[in-house]
Amino acid sequence: GEDVEQSLFLSVREGDSSVINCTYTDSSSTYLYWYKQEPGAGLQLLTYIFSNMDMKQDQRLTVLLNKKDKHLSLRIADTQTGDSAIYFCAERDVDTGRRALTFGSGTRLQVQP
Amino acid sequence: KAGVTQTPRYLIKTRGQQVTLSCSPISGHRSVSWYQQTPGQGLQFLFEYFSETQRNKGNFPGRFSGRQFSNSRSEMNVSTLELGDSALYLCASSSGEVETQYFGPGTRLLVL
Repeated sequence: GEDVEQSLFLSVREGDSSVINCTYTDSSSTYLYWYKQEPGAGLQLLTYIFSNMDMKQDQRLTVLLNKKDKHLSLRIADTQTGDSAIYFCAERDVDTGRRALTFGSGTRLQVQP
Repeated sequence: KAGVTQTPRYLIKTRGQQVTLSCSPISGHRSVSWYQQTPGQGLQFLFEYFSETQRNKGNFPGRFSGRQFSNSRSEMNVSTLELGDSALYLCASSSGEVETQYFGPGTRLLVL
């Protein structure tokens, strides 16, 4: 079955890079997503990557995928105070046809000025 | 394009009552999924609808039900509310080959 794990908390200084990590267990063809949730809000899609890719870059965001270790990371360059939020890693197994996302527990990113 | 909208945004109910939550997907999206978010259990999948048919269902009791209308709008219903049903209920819509899910702001339900 699918299982997604994340560390719970990360604190960085403004202007530094943040790296949020995630591990997943599904071995099939998989889409992997990063969502951001600010207090009192829904989930904002940041980016996604398919399991046959190694890397994806989108402005300040870089996603790295290590398929062998089933490890996914989200790097935020030049982290700003507005990046403070909870970041969720999620996966969707393509082969089963299920469209349900399995989420990690979320990583709370705190950006200190 | 307008995003996913959910109504109401906040709701207070008492144990034993029932509640109906509404979700309007992004225009053109035919798939709607529902998730429950609680501090203890995190984000959990409830069910997914496509073209008025339930395609997938999560591991929730039968008190949780849903439906989808011909215009792709969806409702979920929770009957005989329990304290543990207090949560943020999120709706997401998707379309296309990748079927990336876009979430609404959620409905925060408090059961007293």
